[in-house]
This record gives sequence, structure tokens and C-alpha cells, in this order.
Amino acid sequence: GESVGLHLPTLSVQEGDNSIINCAYSNSASDYFIWYKQESGKGPQFIIDIRSNMDKRQGQRVTVLLNKTVKHLSLQIAATQPGDSAVYFCAEKGGSGGSNYKLTFGKGTLLTVNP
Amino acid sequence: DSGVTQTPKHLITATGQRVTLRCSPRSGDLSVYWYQQSLDQGLQFLIQYYNGEERAKGNILERFSAQQFPDLHSELNLSSLELGDSALYFCASTSGSRADTQYFGPGTRLTVL
Repeated sequence: GESVGLHLPTLSVQEGDNSIINCAYSNSASDYFIWYKQESGKGPQFIIDIRSNMDKRQGQRVTVLLNKTVKHLSLQIAATQPGDSAVYFCAEKGGSGGSNYKLTFGKGTLLTVNP
Repeated sequence: DSGVTQTPKHLITATGQRVTLRCSPRSGDLSVYWYQQSLDQGLQFLIQYYNGEERAKGNILERFSAQQFPDLHSELNLSSLELGDSALYFCASTSGSRADTQYFGPGTRLTVL
């Protein structure tokens, strides 16, 4: 079945460094991917998304890279700040049928930024 | 603030009881999604409603049900509660029926004792 997984459950970085969070997905028909940030006690917050017809998309301090050949997604955070400390989830949407109507989430990576 | 509201924020109840969680989507959004988040299962999709009709079902137990009302708010009903139902329950909304960018509410923390 569909699955979205993360390579690293925890990531610890120094303030000011760049962070890279990775995600593997198994459904080659997925056509849409999203990264969410979840701070303690809060709901997931949208960060950035990318459609399968793109390889890269940039936002403010964040970049998402999509490698469809190896079914890999990554989130890069530039100049990581203490406020970036949170759990980061990747999610995918299937491209057809019933999977068009739901997101499948990975288990999350805990990012800790040390001052 | 995502614009999605959920009530109550916390709920403590006993096994065997029934509870109702409420969600109001962002203004203009027609789709509401419900998710369960527990420590060992991550974010699990439960069910989606679009403009009052059920559109997609995920890992939702038969003891759970949901509905979306004409004003587009949604309720998730959990009955015959078990200890394992303790979790965070989130709703999210989108404007269309497809699962594009979903905006999440703050969640309801359910504790079953």
C-alpha cells in the first residue's frame, strides 16, 4: 500500500546552519507533496508544497526538492533559527481515484535547533 | 492562525462514553478532513466531507462517525470509547474536493480514562 516514511526521526542542528529533512515515498503515482511543521501543542502548519511536474520549489528560507526517479522528497531550511524547532511532516497525495482525496503523512522528524 | 476552529480544546471522559468534536472550516472552504494523531501512529486520515457529503474514508473505526452540516461545520462523533482512543484529533479544510493544501485547526486532545 501507500507509505510515506522519513529517513531520520530526529535532527539536531546549530542555529544559523542549514537543515535538510528527508522523506521517501512509495507511490509513484503521487502528484502532490506537502511539508508541514508542527509545534508542540499546535496543529500542523503548512510550509511549502510541490507538484510532481516540478523538481524544486523555493519559499522564504525553505526549499523543497523532489526526485521522482528515486521517490525522494527533501525540505531544506536555510539559516535555521530556534523558532524552527518542531516536528516536520511530509505528506503525499495520490494522483487518481480515491487517493486524490486524502493526504498520507509520514511519521515526522523532530528538528531541534541549538542556540 | 489557520482560520480553522475546533472545540473543545481538551476533553476528558471515561471508557464507554460518547463524545462529539466540532470543527468549523476556513471561510469559503467546502471540504473538511478529520485526522487522529497518536504517539505510535502519527497522523492518520479518518474521513473527508465535501459540501455536506462524505467523499473519502480512511482508517475510521465503525464506532466513529462524522457529518457536515449545511453551514459547513463538521462534527466527529466517537462512541463506546476505549483507552486507545486517547489522541489528538485534528480537522483540516480545503476549498475544493481534492486533497490539496489543507489548513489544520488547533486540535482537540481527547483523554479516555
